[in-house]
Amino acid sequence: NAGVTQTPKFQVLKTGQSMTLQCAQDMNHEYMSWYRQDPGMGLRLIHYSVGAGITDQGEVPNGYNVSRSTTEDFPLRLLSAAPSQTSVYFCASSSEGNYGYTFGSGTRLTVV
Amino acid sequence: GQQVMQIPQYQHVQEGEDFTTYCNSSTTLSNIQWYKQRPGGHPVFLIQLVKSGEVKKQKRLTFQFGEAKKNSSLHITATQTTDVGTYFCAVYSGGGADGLTFGKGTHLIIQP
Repeated sequence: NAGVTQTPKFQVLKTGQSMTLQCAQDMNHEYMSWYRQDPGMGLRLIHYSVGAGITDQGEVPNGYNVSRSTTEDFPLRLLSAAPSQTSVYFCASSSEGNYGYTFGSGTRLTVV
Repeated sequence: GQQVMQIPQYQHVQEGEDFTTYCNSSTTLSNIQWYKQRPGGHPVFLIQLVKSGEVKKQKRLTFQFGEAKKNSSLHITATQTTDVGTYFCAVYSGGGADGLTFGKGTHLIIQP
């Protein structure tokens, strides 16, 4: 099993550009979520999903969109990149929302 | 949602010394999870505690959940260089706010 796969691993964007961070899991997990990690801030929840077709906002959702058309995929869209979105982004999944999450290896995003 | 305070932010130890990180909440927690993140890596789930006063061990790691379910600790006995990384506690909000809320982590630095 591959677990949680995130692509790309690294990305540089110019301010105002849009892009999609990909996340796929092969464990048939219903619960998926996106986090951003910034120095000194820990991991903060951006958006989450409790199943295909169901998404909701987390702590820091502004500037990001998500959709969940299949159980496997949970892409994160940056609508108009800003330097404040420079961060490391992690996707995670779990079979039960209140149990341990499996994390992807992350996407390191720089917005210039 | 629920919030957790984690201390200390940094801990320097000599190899072979013990290490402890603490997580505290002002509200009663339904459960608490612990994760380890190696430098440049992604969070890896270690354990979940659910019951009041629960103690779990994994080799040199001991995890405790307070009697009031408002605090938790992770203790490492006789640290090794492989223990280097950041240790996070995380709580699951549940209900109308799924996804995890993370503490800001404790960075464990080991001097050989």
